[in-house]
Amino acid sequence: QVQLQESGPGLVKPSQTLSLTCTVSGGSISSTSYYWSWIRQPAGKGLEWIGRIFTSGSTNYNPSLKSRVTISMDTSKNQFSLKLNSVTAADTAMYFCARDTVTGWFDPWGQGTLVTVSS
Amino acid sequence: EIVMAQSPATLSVSPGERATLSCRATQSVNNNLAWYQQRPGQAPRLLIYGASTRATGIPARFSGSGSGTEFTLTISSLQSEDFAVYYCQQYYDWLQITFGQGTRLEI
Repeated sequence: QVQLQESGPGLVKPSQTLSLTCTVSGGSISSTSYYWSWIRQPAGKGLEWIGRIFTSGSTNYNPSLKSRVTISMDTSKNQFSLKLNSVTAADTAMYFCARDTVTGWFDPWGQGTLVTVSS
Repeated sequence: EIVMAQSPATLSVSPGERATLSCRATQSVNNNLAWYQQRPGQAPRLLIYGASTRATGIPARFSGSGSGTEFTLTISSLQSEDFAVYYCQQYYDWLQITFGQGTRLEI
């Protein structure tokens, strides 16, 4: 079955760029049946959808983060990536990648990776 | 933005009892609603989509109902592994997905 695994630095300095990669196994991100999303969760808080990408390269972003977010994909590596620039402490969170059905629910999810923004 | 409000924030129930969790949307989302379970230290797991369709492998004790703005997740006979946080999510506004703040189900 499809599995997703996030990777990237666990510590990012304020004002710098957060960069994460999600590696997909057991399925192809080139599938036209799915999108691929990033979602985050500050400690002890709820879930916030960040954005998604389709195999064509088209993207959708949460309007609240749109000015700072870029999601891209590398089909040769079966990976998609998140870049969030100008980070602050408010961006400290667990970051999850997930397969996004064309309808809009998420299944499955990666295990998540904790990113702390601190100097 | 469609805001999803879950109630109660915390629900205390005994094993074997029935739990009823609520989710309300600030505008109609038709049946474009999903439920997730998140155990401590784990990623969310899809339970229900389309407001009432169980995801693959989800036990029959989990059921979802509702449409429009009012939704319910019912767990008919609580097992120890069901004590977790539950989130609802609307995907009616596909360009701005939103989640509820969660309901913690505790013993």
